[in-house]
Amino acid sequence: DAKTTQPNSMESNEEEPVHLPCNHSTISGTDYIHWYRQLPSQGPEYVIHGLTSNVNNRMASLAIAEDRKSSTLILHRATLRDAAVYYCIFLQGAQKLVFGQGTRLTINP
Amino acid sequence: GAVVSQHPSRVICKSGTSVKIECRSLDFQATTMFWYRQFPKQSLMLMATSNEGSKATYEQGVEKDKFLINHASLTLSTLTVTSAHPEDSSFYICSAQGTSFSYEQYFGPGTRLTVT
Repeated sequence: DAKTTQPNSMESNEEEPVHLPCNHSTISGTDYIHWYRQLPSQGPEYVIHGLTSNVNNRMASLAIAEDRKSSTLILHRATLRDAAVYYCIFLQGAQKLVFGQGTRLTINP
Repeated sequence: GAVVSQHPSRVICKSGTSVKIECRSLDFQATTMFWYRQFPKQSLMLMATSNEGSKATYEQGVEKDKFLINHASLTLSTLTVTSAHPEDSSFYICSAQGTSFSYEQYFGPGTRLTVT
């Protein structure tokens, strides 16, 4: 199964930027990097995905290392509603998402 | 974004009975749907992959005769937990995949199953 490594937990303050790292050293050239987040008692929510170039959307930015062995999800101004478990996932040529333990993000008011 | 619904959101049943959970893609056609299970404080575990009109593909260790999956249309998949036992109590989540090349998936809100 596709393997990613993320810190178990991170903490930040409201209205400050948050950088969530992810290592995926076994990624191949055609694997997309996906980020999902899960709020308590809810299904996961798609955040962003990318292949090689950095990506921006209304929720976040995704910075992908040049060698693609790591990526960083950037929340530009965290709010209390961003407190969730964030999952970094890549697909090894298959459709299925394999969830790791993710990073539990706590936002302090 | 695309919307996926699940019904019911919460169900309590007696041991030995069967429970059916529905997963619907409301505004797009889902050629593939996935079923996950999540125990408290744990990550999501993929149970099976379901393609419309064909048999589901189950992950290793998931009993196909216990967790019956039907994907009869492009907008509906059902998971039936047969002869449920207390250890089947969990949070069941479905997801649906459209036709995007990047394999983006949209998740339902989950169904909390409690077996007494």
